[in-house]
Amino acid sequence: GNSVTQMEGPVTLSEEAFLTINCTYTATGYPSLFWYVQYPGEGLQLLLKATKADDKGSNKGFEATYRKETTSFHLEKGSVQVSDSAVYFCALSGQGGSEKLVFGKGTKLTVNP
Amino acid sequence: NAGVTQTPKFQVLKTGQSMTLQCAQDMNHNSMYWYRQDPGMGLRLIYYSASEGTTDKGEVPNGYNVSRLNKREFSLRLESAAPSQTSVYFCASSALVGLAGGEQFFGPGTRLTVL
Repeated sequence: GNSVTQMEGPVTLSEEAFLTINCTYTATGYPSLFWYVQYPGEGLQLLLKATKADDKGSNKGFEATYRKETTSFHLEKGSVQVSDSAVYFCALSGQGGSEKLVFGKGTKLTVNP
Repeated sequence: NAGVTQTPKFQVLKTGQSMTLQCAQDMNHNSMYWYRQDPGMGLRLIYYSASEGTTDKGEVPNGYNVSRLNKREFSLRLESAAPSQTSVYFCASSALVGLAGGEQFFGPGTRLTVL
């Protein structure tokens, strides 16, 4: 079945540091890929998405590129801020969105001033 | 628009008690979902409803029942709570299950403790 593996946390960075959170997936066909973010005490919200190979999703300075050859969708940001402290979840839905979302276990990011 | 709302925000139960978690959305979405979030486990799907009048089991349905009361509301019931059901529960909705790239919108969660 479909699955998502993302890097274990927690990740602690200083403000303005570069961020990478790795995400790889296993799926048949061409899934859609997502990054969701959960701020403390809140529900999840969509950060970015990509629906086909080589697509780049971007939002709020975050980027991720759908790499089918490496089955990856790594999240990057060039300069993190304290306000980026949150838990980040990689997720996929099956080909054509025909299945429900499958989530990774989440990576907690803390950014210190 | 309120988006997805959940009640209650917090609840403490004793083993064997029952309760219903309520969820409502005002985005006219067809599909609704219940997840539980446990430390180190990510989110796991309990039940979902692809459209009004239909419900299906997700990854971890045991010990739960659901009702899709109408298009707006989707409730989750614990008939006889167990300590293993201590978790944070999230309701979500989306325009369609099966929509490629479709975004799910999440409620703020219910933190449930079973003693």
